[in-house]
Amino acid sequence: DGGITQSPKYLFRKEGQNVTLSCEQNLNHDAMYWYRQDPGQGLRLIYYSQIVNDFQKGDIAEGYSVSREKKESFPLTVTSAQKNPTAFYLCASTVGGTSSNEQFFGPGTRLTVL
Amino acid sequence: KQEVTQIPAALSVPEGENLVLNCSFTDSAIYNLQWFRQDPGKGLTSLLLIQSSQREQTSGRLNASLDKSSGRSTLYIAASQPGDSATYLCAVRGYGNKLVFGAGTILRVKS
Repeated sequence: DGGITQSPKYLFRKEGQNVTLSCEQNLNHDAMYWYRQDPGQGLRLIYYSQIVNDFQKGDIAEGYSVSREKKESFPLTVTSAQKNPTAFYLCASTVGGTSSNEQFFGPGTRLTVL
Repeated sequence: KQEVTQIPAALSVPEGENLVLNCSFTDSAIYNLQWFRQDPGKGLTSLLLIQSSQREQTSGRLNASLDKSSGRSTLYIAASQPGDSATYLCAVRGYGNKLVFGAGTILRVKS
């Protein structure tokens, strides 16, 4: 089955700790995205990558970091600098090269700060 | 800066009713508009994608329209069912190849 997988489904972080959320896709998509969703709000873009070894900040990148060493993988690290990290995190991908394409989403990771 | 608004924020209807969800956006310079469904605690499922050159798209009981000049889209759901209960999100793709999302409409279909 082609799709996007995210792990873990639930993640708990202690104060001052860095944690990494995994996102893998086997759709052969060029572009990948990370969003944050808070209750009652739409999705906000954290980082995105149009191609391997390149990524750009989204609207709320502070306190987060990413890497794109492989086409199929786009992990997100939530650092201790992110003061309010409790949220639902969603990874997405699209075929690259054009702005007309449909975006597909993974099942999400719920991060809670203890 | 693009802003997307969805009205109503929540909607409760009896089973079998036809209903309309609304989405408006402030900048008409978009490539496309996408409607998604989200079940509680889950990721987003793409329902319909309308390119900027199109007026509408249909999939089963769903029909989405786009009026780019007025910055509006509607999602029409025919003969609603309890299984349609979910949050519906619209998002527009503009320059920079990024999606901007509305806050969503929470739909409850009562049996």
